[in-house]
Amino acid sequence: QKEVEQNSGPLSVPEGAIASLNCTYSDRVSQSFFWYRQYSGKSPELIMSIYSNGDKEDGRFTAQLNKASQYVSLLIRDSQPSDSATYLCAVMNYGGSQGNLIFGKGTKLSVKP
Amino acid sequence: DVKVTQSSRYLVKRTGEKVFLECVQDMDHENMFWYRQDPGLGLRLIYFSYDVKMKEKGDIPEGYSVSREKKERFSLILESASTNQTSMYLCASRKGGAATNEKLFFGSGTQLSVL
Repeated sequence: QKEVEQNSGPLSVPEGAIASLNCTYSDRVSQSFFWYRQYSGKSPELIMSIYSNGDKEDGRFTAQLNKASQYVSLLIRDSQPSDSATYLCAVMNYGGSQGNLIFGKGTKLSVKP
Repeated sequence: DVKVTQSSRYLVKRTGEKVFLECVQDMDHENMFWYRQDPGLGLRLIYFSYDVKMKEKGDIPEGYSVSREKKERFSLILESASTNQTSMYLCASRKGGAATNEKLFFGSGTQLSVL
């Protein structure tokens, strides 16, 4: 059973701090990784994708990937109360005829003003 | 932007009823998915379809079936609803083929309660 593990939280950070969200995955051959944000009562929305080892930056968000350690993380700089949400790590699974995503259970982030 | 529309936001059904959840997307996407989301269990894939009349089982297909007669519409069917199928159901779509790394677009979800 391929798995994606996340700390469920809640993770609480003060406004302006860096929030660090972590994810590990079990399938060593995985190549594509995604972070989705889900506000309470809303659907998930994609915020970052990463395919190569190293860092990928997009505004206040940085995704980090280490395939050797099977580890992917999301850093949120200058955290804002509007970043308070559940963050879902997702890994592409190519077990079927076409890829589908395996999601972690999500980490709930709370940014305190 | 892509719009994925689920027919109902809230639905209440009785045990043993046959339940249809409808999903329509307007961007000619090949791939469509049905997930359920439960507290503490996260998003779990029920079924997906990579083309019209094609379907594949996800991680938890038991008790469900699907139908994809037209490219834009993907239906989830609960043949005989049970209380353990009370959940938030999310439909999603994505371009297919070589674009499997394209992002998923989610519908707004259907909260189903089975009494």
